[in-house]
Amino acid sequence: DGGITQSPKYLFRKEGQNVTLSCEQNLNHDAMYWYRQDPGQGLRLIYYSQIVNDFQKGDIAEGYSVSREKKESFPLTVTSAQKNPTAFYLCASSIRAEKLFFGSGTQLSVL
Amino acid sequence: GEDVEQSLFLSVREGDSSVINCTYTDSSSTYLYWYKQEPGAGLQLLTYIFSNMDMKQDQRLTVLLNKKDKHLSLRIADTQTGDSAIYFCAESGSYQKVTFGIGTKLQVIP
Repeated sequence: DGGITQSPKYLFRKEGQNVTLSCEQNLNHDAMYWYRQDPGQGLRLIYYSQIVNDFQKGDIAEGYSVSREKKESFPLTVTSAQKNPTAFYLCASSIRAEKLFFGSGTQLSVL
Repeated sequence: GEDVEQSLFLSVREGDSSVINCTYTDSSSTYLYWYKQEPGAGLQLLTYIFSNMDMKQDQRLTVLLNKKDKHLSLRIADTQTGDSAIYFCAESGSYQKVTFGIGTKLQVIP
């Protein structure tokens, strides 16, 4: 079945540590996105990529990094520079910037 | 920049109709969407409407678009307990990205 797979479902970060969230899609979509969701704040765009080897900062990119070496994959690294990383992270993909399809999310918490 | 606003909470009785409202600012929006999120899960695309349409019906769901007032609504007929979730309004337009509202939590009372 086609879809978007995020892993892990739960992730814990120690202070000063970088962690990487995985996002893989087999929908053959060109565009991929990372959103952060905090209670009461809706979804905020971190990074997006419209094509392989290219990506743009979203509204809250500071403390995060991404890569897009393959069409199917768009991993997100939460660096130690992100001082408040606890949130629910959602990856999405689309053919263009329309009709986003979402993964099931990763809950990141700080130890 | 573009903005999407919606109320935070709606409570209805099982069997009644639910109406969730949304306003947006981007006059060049091409598509407007409604997504559903259940606890601990990702967002599921429920329905969408192209900006040159006024209404779209899909089983129990009716979407109304007033482009002049930039107002979008989602009506759920015969609301069931399984409809309890957070509903997000979203739009895609001139900036090559999709902008989401804050989400409306729908509580269905048995």
